[in-house]
Amino acid sequence: SQQGEEDPQALSIQEGENATMNCSYKTSINNLQWYRQNSGRGLVHLILIRSNEREKHSGRLRVTLDTSKKSSSLLITASRAADTASYFCATDSYSGAGSYQLTFGKGTKLSVIP
Amino acid sequence: NAGVMQNPRHLVRRRGQEARLRCSPMKGHSHVYWYRQLPEEGLKFMVYLQKENIIDESGMPKERFSAEFPKEGPSILRIQQVVRGDSAAYFCASSPLGDPTNQPQHFGDGTRLSIL
Repeated sequence: SQQGEEDPQALSIQEGENATMNCSYKTSINNLQWYRQNSGRGLVHLILIRSNEREKHSGRLRVTLDTSKKSSSLLITASRAADTASYFCATDSYSGAGSYQLTFGKGTKLSVIP
Repeated sequence: NAGVMQNPRHLVRRRGQEARLRCSPMKGHSHVYWYRQLPEEGLKFMVYLQKENIIDESGMPKERFSAEFPKEGPSILRIQQVVRGDSAAYFCASSPLGDPTNQPQHFGDGTRLSIL
């Protein structure tokens, strides 16, 4: 089953509005990461939050992590049309096979309407 | 500084043929990861390699799939006797030399494999 599950699956907002995406996971983690994927392209790393951190900012991005609820949120403020993309959370946890693995959710498809 | 380079971008194969996907990590990166993505899905981990070593192949099917990262040259993901279900986008990622934990991964633009 999915380790990270994003919610909502799709989100459509007007330019200038804020976008909030949520991620829930099941097992203990080392860190949680958010990535963006434009159509037909690879993933671009946005932000990494460690398991002992609660909140992190990067430009217009704000990420929170609640390990007691096994959930994270990504907030994009003052959205722009260029923010249109799919956003994935990925949990980094020990695989039991010799390494830490990233496990991705199915993503939130964000559309920002100009 | 060039990013992660994958080639080819698109690959078409007939059932039963072999597919070879190549990945050159970012300069200075020694950890390579391969993922598979089906349409409308997230990425699924396949294998993690360092130079000349497979560290974790727990996500890779036991049959028909193999991966290598030789001392010289790119990492190769090889799929033998391809079937329709192998159609997907395959992504490679790399991370810097040293402890890979708490390091972001840098992704290539993927190879889209289509099986006829």
